[in-house]
Amino acid sequence: AQTVTQSQPEMSVQEAETVTLSCTYDTSENNYYLFWYKQPPSRQMILVIRQEAYKQQNATENRFSVNFQKAAKSFSLKISDSQLGDTAMYFCALNSGGGADGLTFGKGTHLIIQP
Amino acid sequence: ETGVTQSPTHLIKTRGQQVTLRCSSQSGHNTVSWYQQALGQGPQFIFQYYREEENGRGNFPPRFSGLQFPNYSSELNVNALELDDSALYLCASSPDLGTSVYEQYFGPGTRLTVT
Repeated sequence: AQTVTQSQPEMSVQEAETVTLSCTYDTSENNYYLFWYKQPPSRQMILVIRQEAYKQQNATENRFSVNFQKAAKSFSLKISDSQLGDTAMYFCALNSGGGADGLTFGKGTHLIIQP
Repeated sequence: ETGVTQSPTHLIKTRGQQVTLRCSSQSGHNTVSWYQQALGQGPQFIFQYYREEENGRGNFPPRFSGLQFPNYSSELNVNALELDDSALYLCASSPDLGTSVYEQYFGPGTRLTVT
């Protein structure tokens, strides 16, 4: 079984600051994918960033980057120059059993960007 | 290119009733996954359909069933509704079975309330 743990239920930072969201996971597979999804109040789940486990280089997408520590099974998301539109629920997710097992999500972190 | 759509947006049912939720995949996508997101939780994988066949299933009872049609649209059926079935139901489509492990595009969800 695979598990994903997000230990920060809520975080709040000022606009333009940098914030890091934490995620740990567990899987017995060697090859897997990790994701960060954003879910704004509109409810639509939006992919923020994706990391393939066999790639050592950390993924980056504009202001979003990850710190992937495979041995520690840690996958944190860093948001630089945070914006008001970044306010949302953020979910860490894992897919290690192939698509037929679906994504396993954490419980989420509610990120609030203050003006 | 049309994204993933779901209908209805909201609905209210009574305990013991049956419900059908619908999902239209993104154009060209042949794989659909369904998730249940209870309030304050991350989504949980229900099942996946590929070319009209169930390809994988999460830890949900048989009263949760699905269909996929030749045009790759999909339905989620829930029989004998229980209060705990109240949740946001998300559909996600993927270009192909192989890509579903790392590429899922979510719809806006259907909010089901069981009273």
